[in-house]
Amino acid sequence: GAVVSQHPSRVICKSGTSVKIECRSLDFQATTMFWYRQFPKQSLMLMATSNEGSKATYEQGVEKDKFLINHASLTLSTLTVTSAHPEDSSFYICSAIPNSGPSYEQYFGPGTRLTVT
Amino acid sequence: QKEVEQDPGPLSVPEGAIVSLNCTYSNSAFQYFMWYRQYSRKGPELLMYTYSSGNKEDGRFTAQVDKSSKYISLFIRDSQPSDSATYLCAMNSGNTPLVFGKGTRLSVIA
Repeated sequence: GAVVSQHPSRVICKSGTSVKIECRSLDFQATTMFWYRQFPKQSLMLMATSNEGSKATYEQGVEKDKFLINHASLTLSTLTVTSAHPEDSSFYICSAIPNSGPSYEQYFGPGTRLTVT
Repeated sequence: QKEVEQDPGPLSVPEGAIVSLNCTYSNSAFQYFMWYRQYSRKGPELLMYTYSSGNKEDGRFTAQVDKSSKYISLFIRDSQPSDSATYLCAMNSGNTPLVFGKGTRLSVIA
């Protein structure tokens, strides 16, 4: 099956610093990846759509200068949380659509738990 | 009204029970319907997806879609403690981002 990995799985950082989260499709190529944020006992909230070779599309209310997305290859998208604050603490999950599969199928990574102190 | 409504539960059932999980939606453009299972502190795992109205069965799981009522269900037969997780419905109109329900927390008690 399609496997998506994320790194790191957990990160603690100080307020004001930046954190980079990687999302990799391990056994397939993905032109399109998505970044979600999930607060405790809440559903997944789409933050942005990441497209290889072009600028990400951000959802309303998501600051593109704060959440930098780079999708430089067909197997890797990165999310950088810049100048992190405690309210950015959350569970960040990426997903990817295999280029070879139907567009409605998404495979999710295991998530990255970010804690900003 | 939210695009996708899902009762968050929690839902607690004895082992062996039949579980029924449901979502309603308002966007008639939705064509693809998915159910994901998410264990605590893990990413969602795709369980089933359906396209048309009707039933789709996979082992102990049955997904049901009623487009006329904008209502989808997931049935779990012979539920096991290992089925304890949060179940999220999700849907889209094809090449668009998935819209998720809030998820229903299920506990299967041995």
